[in-house]
Amino acid sequence: AQSVTQLGSHVSVSEGALVLLRCNYSSSVPPYLFWYVQYPNQGLQLLLKYTTGATLVKGINGFEAEFKKSETSFHLTKPSAHMSDAAEYFCAVSVADRGSTLGRLYFGRGTQLTVWP
Amino acid sequence: NAGVTQTPKFRILKIGQSMTLQCTQDMNHNYMYWYRQDPGMGLKLIYYSVGAGITDKGEVPNGYNVSRSTTEDFPLRLELAAPSQTSVYFCASSYSLVYEQYFGPGTRLTVT
Repeated sequence: AQSVTQLGSHVSVSEGALVLLRCNYSSSVPPYLFWYVQYPNQGLQLLLKYTTGATLVKGINGFEAEFKKSETSFHLTKPSAHMSDAAEYFCAVSVADRGSTLGRLYFGRGTQLTVWP
Repeated sequence: NAGVTQTPKFRILKIGQSMTLQCTQDMNHNYMYWYRQDPGMGLKLIYYSVGAGITDKGEVPNGYNVSRSTTEDFPLRLELAAPSQTSVYFCASSYSLVYEQYFGPGTRLTVT
């Protein structure tokens, strides 16, 4: 089974400060990587994804993430936090199951981002 | 397009009761999924389907059943509800493995 580790269940930053949300994964094959955001009482919304190609991926709302194979990481960053970024963020890994073409999405436990004025 | 819709939004069940959570998508996606979300635990896959008539278990299938008779609908059945099934349930769909999953707004279920 795959695993996804998000370091820090809660992260607090001031408005305008750098946002860094950490994600590490374990996978024996090249994974597909995703970051989702969940606002209160809503479903999950895709921020960005990495499948192949350029390892620096840009997403919506000014977020970006870099796939580092050697570090098995896919950290999410945003140069300047905004109050509207307060939400829960989930890192996810998608791989095909061994011996199958069917794939599953494995989620980290989530990081709650608080933005202080 | 409505995307992924789920009903009901909220439900309270007594222990031992049964219910069906409805999920419908209008994007003609083959892949559909049911997750449960518990505080601090992320999302756990309950069941998934790769097309009408094809379903498979996820990480936490015990106590649940699914069916997929059409591309659009993927209902989740709870038989003999237990307090451990108190959770928020999300349905999702996707075009394929490498494409994003689209999530519904969720159903908040309490079993007492």
